[in-house]
Amino acid sequence: AQSVSQHNHHVILSEAASLELGCNYSYGGTVNLFWYVQYPGQHLQLLLKYFSGDPLVKGIKGFEAEFIKSKFSFNLRKPSVQWSDTAEYFCAVNARTGGFKTIFGAGTRLFVKA
Amino acid sequence: GAGVSQTPSNKVTEKGKYVELRCDPISGHTALYWYRQSLGQGPEFLIYFQGTGAADDSGLPNDRFFAVRPEGSVSTLKIQRTERGDSAVYLCASSLQPGQGQETQYFGPGTRLLVL
Repeated sequence: AQSVSQHNHHVILSEAASLELGCNYSYGGTVNLFWYVQYPGQHLQLLLKYFSGDPLVKGIKGFEAEFIKSKFSFNLRKPSVQWSDTAEYFCAVNARTGGFKTIFGAGTRLFVKA
Repeated sequence: GAGVSQTPSNKVTEKGKYVELRCDPISGHTALYWYRQSLGQGPEFLIYFQGTGAADDSGLPNDRFFAVRPEGSVSTLKIQRTERGDSAVYLCASSLQPGQGQETQYFGPGTRLLVL
């Protein structure tokens, strides 16, 4: 069965610090990978996604993620966080074939100190 | 245009009662998903509709849970004989006609269900 593991449940950073949130998935086939974000009081929204091609994917608001197939990882990065990046971040995966069942990780709560 | 809407935003019920949760997807989106999110967890897949039919209902936890989408637009998630463990936020998402699971899902605000 597919599963997604997010390494950190809570992360606290100061503004301008660099961010890396870990995500590992368990699935033997070809997958689609996503990062979703939920800002305080808002809906879940897509940050970025990867299907194929360049394993370094750029998303909105300066975020990027790198797919490393050999490590089953899809870590999220941002060189310099802002206070407005305070949110909960979810990694998600679905199978390329019949990929309607999307599996989410438990989420990482990021708090950025101004 | 308008996003995904869900009603009610909050629902408090007693153990054993029946509840219905409604989802209005984005106009033109043929795919619709239901998820359940418990405290401290990520969304848990329940069911996926392509048009009017449930293409994948493997996430429904038991036969007390049922969902319909009779006209391929609005969907209703129905929970019979509610239990305290059903308390969670129920999320709905929609997307354009799916290709290979690559479409962006647009989420609604959720319905917070509390079973006393």
